[in-house]
Amino acid sequence: GQQLNQSPQSMFIQEGEDVSMNCTSSSIFNTWLWYKQEPGEGPVLLIALYKAGELTSNGRLTAQFGITRKDSFLNISASIPSDVGIYFCAGPLTNTGNQFYFGTGTSLTVIP
Amino acid sequence: SAVISQKPSRDICQRGTSLTIQCQVDSQVTMMFWYRQQPGQSLTLIATANQGSEATYESGFVIDKFPISRPNLTFSTLTVSNMSPEDSSIYLCSVALLADTQYFGPGTRLTVL
Repeated sequence: GQQLNQSPQSMFIQEGEDVSMNCTSSSIFNTWLWYKQEPGEGPVLLIALYKAGELTSNGRLTAQFGITRKDSFLNISASIPSDVGIYFCAGPLTNTGNQFYFGTGTSLTVIP
Repeated sequence: SAVISQKPSRDICQRGTSLTIQCQVDSQVTMMFWYRQQPGQSLTLIATANQGSEATYESGFVIDKFPISRPNLTFSTLTVSNMSPEDSSIYLCSVALLADTQYFGPGTRLTVL
């Protein structure tokens, strides 16, 4: 099936640092979504992107829909300990309805 | 968004038994989905739960192993049948409220001994 590759696979950063992660695909997506999953919880939607080139912010989080429609980026500024979790990109391939594909995930650890 | 609850939140089951997981949404939704998340892995779609008709299963998942019910627009169940340790995973339901956007329940953590 379709694979969304995320990098890096894991990150260990100091509190206050900025974080950047990305998601790439060999296929075109019409929508890119970014989720955060904390231990013992379901994924929580952070940001949704619907247009190539779109740049959207949600507090300290900023995500961009790549112009090639095959990638997306998530940045977190001034990280805090509660940012800890696994971040997943996701989206439906064009013309597949609601069949969502999820990225491999980026595990973030913030050291106080 | 929607408030999505799942029962049970976790369970430990014996090999060969079956477990039914419930998913309840606080509003009527057309599209509901079931996912599996194996330990340390990403999410994989099991099936789309269709109201009034049989669920639509993804490749690698079959109705005999994962029967799904969708009696109305706010509720669905997933049964994991004849369980083995390989079925130990987190099972998540999700709903689509807006086009191309899904919201998830808290998940059911299943351990099969």
